[in-house]
Amino acid sequence: AQKITQTQPGMFVQEKEAVTLDCTYDTSDPSYGLFWYKQPSSGEMIFLIYQGSYDQQNATEGRYSLNFQKARKSANLVISASQLGDSAMYFCAMREGGTGFQKLVFGTGTRLLVSP
Amino acid sequence: GAVVSQHPSWVICKSGTSVKIECRSLDFQATTMFWYRQFPKQSLMLMATSNEGSKATYEQGVEKDKFLINHASLTLSTLTVTSAHPEDSSFYICSARFGRNTEAFFGQGTRLTVV
Repeated sequence: AQKITQTQPGMFVQEKEAVTLDCTYDTSDPSYGLFWYKQPSSGEMIFLIYQGSYDQQNATEGRYSLNFQKARKSANLVISASQLGDSAMYFCAMREGGTGFQKLVFGTGTRLLVSP
Repeated sequence: GAVVSQHPSWVICKSGTSVKIECRSLDFQATTMFWYRQFPKQSLMLMATSNEGSKATYEQGVEKDKFLINHASLTLSTLTVTSAHPEDSSFYICSARFGRNTEAFFGQGTRLTVV
């Protein structure tokens, strides 16, 4: 069974600073994908970044980068130059690549608060 | 990215009534749709997976007779909460994808309050 762990219930960061949100995962499937989503108070799920298990390089999308350490089974999200609008819940998720439905399973989330 | 529209965005209903929530993929054909439930300050919990034209597959512990899912077309899936009770009050959100190994796009979510 797949499992996603986010150990930081909440994180504080000052505007313009960088912040790392932790995510570890557990799976026996060699093919999987890791996702990060942002959920503001409105509830919508905003896709941020994706890392495939066979990708050789860490994914980057603008101010977001994913620190993928396969041996450690970690996929931490790094947000550079934080902005006030980054305050939200952040969820790490994993999708296994097997023959099933390829369900997306979420971690418990980290609430990020960016202060001026 | 692709657009998934969920309607209504919020609904208040009386205990004992049924509520239908729609999830539409606007610019792609969604072969698979997922329904999630999220309680306040908690994560998204997958309720069921639906493939167009076939019965939904429910996660363990989810009552299929209470949460009816219909995926009648490649652009529409519906979740009906039957005989709703206050404990069913939650945030329900759908996601849809075109095919395997493709990204799933989320609807805006529906906040259900049962009084």
